Amino acid sequence: GAVVSQHPSWVICKSGTSVKIECRSLDFQATTMFWYRQFPKQSLMLMATSNEGSKATYEQGVEKDKFLINHASLTLSTLTVTSAHPEDSSFYICSARLAGAYEQYFGPGTRLTVT
Amino acid sequence: DAKTTQPNSMESNEEEPVHLPCNHSTISGTDYIHWYRQLPSQGPEYVIHGLTSNVNNRMASLAIAEDRKSSTLILHRATLRDAAVYYCILRDSGGYQKVTFGTGTKLQVIP
Repeated sequence: GAVVSQHPSWVICKSGTSVKIECRSLDFQATTMFWYRQFPKQSLMLMATSNEGSKATYEQGVEKDKFLINHASLTLSTLTVTSAHPEDSSFYICSARLAGAYEQYFGPGTRLTVT
Repeated sequence: DAKTTQPNSMESNEEEPVHLPCNHSTISGTDYIHWYRQLPSQGPEYVIHGLTSNVNNRMASLAIAEDRKSSTLILHRATLRDAAVYYCILRDSGGYQKVTFGTGTKLQVIP
């Protein structure tokens, strides 16, 4: 149980375009989802915390207008990278927390390459 | 969140035990000690967590010092599939319980 999926697993887009990444909790309801970004050979950096039905809370230094997060249901959160640039190329990982539970379960990640 | 300190890298021979250390001298009374690992090009995977007592599960054991200022993740028999970056993380019991990652220890398993 407690499986989190991400779609797509990888995506290549052109500079200036927007790309949407989906994060789904497959077998549980996630009241809270988290989005991370990881550059090569670096650790994961938390971008934002998303609660179902409310606005996401962004970490300091993360542009909320550039990284749009929507958590419309208890099983789906989306991250949209708007007007993507090559420096946005990274590994994006989501995680989900079961309502009332302590643990976070991570998705497999999405590799974004902006050309 | 309180900070943790881990060695950047460690090596182990296959089928031998591995002890991965973590220092967390500023840990507070309500902080849980969590370990996650990340295999190459994958999302992190939960390994184990504890508060005060040593913990065992099917993946590993967690030994927590009596003063809680350090802990050790123990893999009883390292396999090649255990080669990953291991993160020791402190999480308090309140708020959104977000997981903040440090630099972790890259474990290399030698056949």
